[in-house]
Order: sequence, then structure tokens, then C-alpha cells
Amino acid sequence: NAGVTQTPKFQVLKTGQSMTLQCAQDMNHEYMSWYRQDPGMGLRLIHYSVGAGITDQGEVPNGYNVSRSTTEDFPLRLLSAAPSQTSVYFCASTPRWRTGGQPQHFGDGTRLSIL
Amino acid sequence: AQKVTQAQTEISVVEKEDVTLDCVYETRDTTYYLFWYKQPPSGELVFLIRRNSFDEQNEISGRYSWNFQKSTSSFNFTITASQVVDSAVYFCALSVNTGNQFYFGTGTSLTVIP
Repeated sequence: NAGVTQTPKFQVLKTGQSMTLQCAQDMNHEYMSWYRQDPGMGLRLIHYSVGAGITDQGEVPNGYNVSRSTTEDFPLRLLSAAPSQTSVYFCASTPRWRTGGQPQHFGDGTRLSIL
Repeated sequence: AQKVTQAQTEISVVEKEDVTLDCVYETRDTTYYLFWYKQPPSGELVFLIRRNSFDEQNEISGRYSWNFQKSTSSFNFTITASQVVDSAVYFCALSVNTGNQFYFGTGTSLTVIP
């Protein structure tokens, strides 16, 4: 099992460019989510999905879009990158929706810099 | 609303010293779960422990131990006889009831000096 796979690991963009961060899991997990990690702020939830075709906003959704066409994939799109989106992005999954107490399985992260 | 506070931003200890990382949480839910994650310099997030709100037993795993106290809303993490490999950022997190969302603290950066 590969677990949660994120690509790319590093990316540099110019302001205004668009980009998609990829996330795939091979564990048949229902719940997937995207977090961003910024210094001094911990991890904050951007968007999440409870299954194919169902997505919702987290704490900091502005500037990001998501879709979930399959159980396995949950890409995060930046439509017009801004320097404030410079961050480390983590994708995570848990087996079941609305089953409390499950540890999140995290990908290795994508380090994104916007110039 | 849920909140997790890790007041210690950075801690430095000399190898073999004991160190305690503090975590204080806020929630009105009676069913909740607390977690600790380790983020080594390589950047990945490693799950360490989960504790539910109905289980206040302390837990020990090797050099690691966790002290959960509902009376003070704290879930502290102690590393005994610290080692250089313990150098990392440690995050405390909370989830409530049947929800999947994690509420993270801001993390504590631990440096163990050889």
C-alpha cells in the first residue's frame, strides 16, 4: 500500500499562475481533506470530501477549488496563485465519514512557493 | 468552538533530559478525541497516539508517556531521556464526536542538543 500520495513535492509558481496539487489514496478511504501548514499557525483545513462527488469548505477555503470524481483522488486547484498561498500543503484521509476518533493518514506534503 | 493551545513554541533540551510538551484544549462536546503527531525535519506527519474523552488512563510507550487530565483540559506529552532523534515539531490535535475534522495546535518545536 502506498497510503496517501501527493505530487509534486516542491513547486514554485509566479503570481497569477494556476496549478493543481494532486492527492491519491489507495486505502478506499471515504474522507479526504486538504490542510495548509504555515509557521506559527499549525495546520488549517482548506477543503474536505466525504465521498465521491461531495466536497465542502473548511476553515480557509478562499482561493482554492477541489473536486472528488473518484474515491481515490482529491486534487486541490489554485486558480490564480497569490504570495499568501505560499505554504506547505498536506492531504489526509480517514477510513469512514462520521466515525470519530480515527487518526488522519497524511501524505508527505507539497511545499509551494509563490513569487 | 474547538481550540487547541500549545503555548510552548520552541524548547531546547540537552540529550538525556526529560521534557514535557503541553497541550490544552477547549471543547463543549462530551465525546472527543485527542492526538499527538510528530513532524521530523523531513516534513512528514507521524501519528503517535490517540486518546478518547472517556479514557483518562495515562499511557506509556517506551520513552514516551502521555498525561490526560479532563479537570484541566490538558493532554501533555513527556519524553524521558530525550535523544537527538526526538528533535521535531510536535502537534497536538482534537476531533469531536463523530466528526473527521482535526483542530491542530500551533506546534512545539523540540530541539535535543547532543
